[in-house]
Amino acid sequence: GAGVSQSPRYKVAKRGQDVALRCDPISGHVSLFWYQQALGQGPEFLTYFQNEAQLDKSGLPSDRFFAERPEGSVSTLKIQRTQQEDSAVYLCASSLTSGLTYEQYFGPGTRLTVT
Amino acid sequence: GNSVTQMEGPVTLSEEAFLTINCTYTATGYPSLFWYVQYPGEGLQLLLKATKADDKGSNKGFEATYRKETTSFHLEKGSVQVSDSAVYFCALPNSGGYQKVTFGIGTKLQVIP
Repeated sequence: GAGVSQSPRYKVAKRGQDVALRCDPISGHVSLFWYQQALGQGPEFLTYFQNEAQLDKSGLPSDRFFAERPEGSVSTLKIQRTQQEDSAVYLCASSLTSGLTYEQYFGPGTRLTVT
Repeated sequence: GNSVTQMEGPVTLSEEAFLTINCTYTATGYPSLFWYVQYPGEGLQLLLKATKADDKGSNKGFEATYRKETTSFHLEKGSVQVSDSAVYFCALPNSGGYQKVTFGIGTKLQVIP
């Protein structure tokens, strides 16, 4: 079946622009995660949804970052007034449920470059 | 909170060489441990996992043993291939009841023919 998909794959934004990144998780997966991966680093947790509820947003770096999952499936990560330090790959992952042994399935990521 | 320390790369090996990528962890309790792999141009994928002490995870010829006494989860493969060239991440979940995962810095492996 289809895996996790993300769009766009690449996004170039001028500093100060708003961007929206989309994630389509695997159908039926309850849990959805967003991560930020800077160049040469490991992914860092941003936020977590269980169905439509955002249960943890402790990793969002500032109030310019906002995520939603209104119907418990597709999720959007929005970054307002982008800054150069926002340049990174944004990864989405989904999991069947929230148990600690359940595998997370990752999408290919969206590479955001802020100029 | 939970954390991992992973050897930095890049690691360059000849085909059929033995691979070890070191990973140590700091954690509350005994969480599951993971190795993820990121092939060029592809998304992260789970390579193997171990859910309790002394467990050995294995997949595609890779192995890692959950060592509680040394808080380690080193990744090994006896004979690497060019197709193993990728970035490898050691990871562990938090203890909050869901899978917020903490990743290591990643180790880039390049295998040359």
